Amino acid sequence: DVKVTQSSRYLVKRTGEKVFLECVQDMDHENMFWYRQDPGLGLRLIYFSYDVKMKEKGDIPEGYSVSREKKERFSLILESASTNQTSMYLCASSPVGSPVYEQYFGPGTRLTVT
Amino acid sequence: AQTVTQSQPEMSVQEAETVTLSCTYDTSESDYYLFWYKQPPSRQMILVIRQEAYKQQNATENRFSVNFQKAAKSFSLKISDSQLGDAAMYFCAYRPANAGGTSYGKLTFGQGTILTVHP
Repeated sequence: DVKVTQSSRYLVKRTGEKVFLECVQDMDHENMFWYRQDPGLGLRLIYFSYDVKMKEKGDIPEGYSVSREKKERFSLILESASTNQTSMYLCASSPVGSPVYEQYFGPGTRLTVT
Repeated sequence: AQTVTQSQPEMSVQEAETVTLSCTYDTSESDYYLFWYKQPPSRQMILVIRQEAYKQQNATENRFSVNFQKAAKSFSLKISDSQLGDAAMYFCAYRPANAGGTSYGKLTFGQGTILTVHP
């Protein structure tokens, strides 16, 4: 079974802090994604990576950055957390090769910025 | 840009009954893929069913089936014989088939529908 894990289920941070959210997948997938999930808005793509050290902006990249130094790990960084970044963050991975392939999701990190 | 709309924020169904969740999408592409994902409370999102736009036959996975109307850009999910374990948030998602290159993996999600199953 594909397993995608995220470093924390719940996280509380203060405004202005630098926040790292970590995601690890164990299926050698090339693609990895970071989404945020907000009520009434569904999932919105923040960033994705299609290879080590490669990244592309998603629909809402402002205030975020990412790092992918190893194939299995994809980190989301909030350089200076703000209250409007309070949200559920979901990581996902998928293989390349066909658009029919599903994305596999982690359990999510619920981040609260106070 | 593609958009996906789920117009039902919440739905409810009695156990053993049938429920249909609606999804519409907007695209200028002719070839694409559609997905329904399920997010149970406090659990990971999983794929329920997928449909390839070039296939006219509606996809079916056990109690889950879709009604894919390409001309109407509609992709509804039917859950038959509903079970308590079907209670979850359901997301409809779209992916173009020929986005090319690195856009291959990108999904566009709808807003989600919370399904409650009553015993």
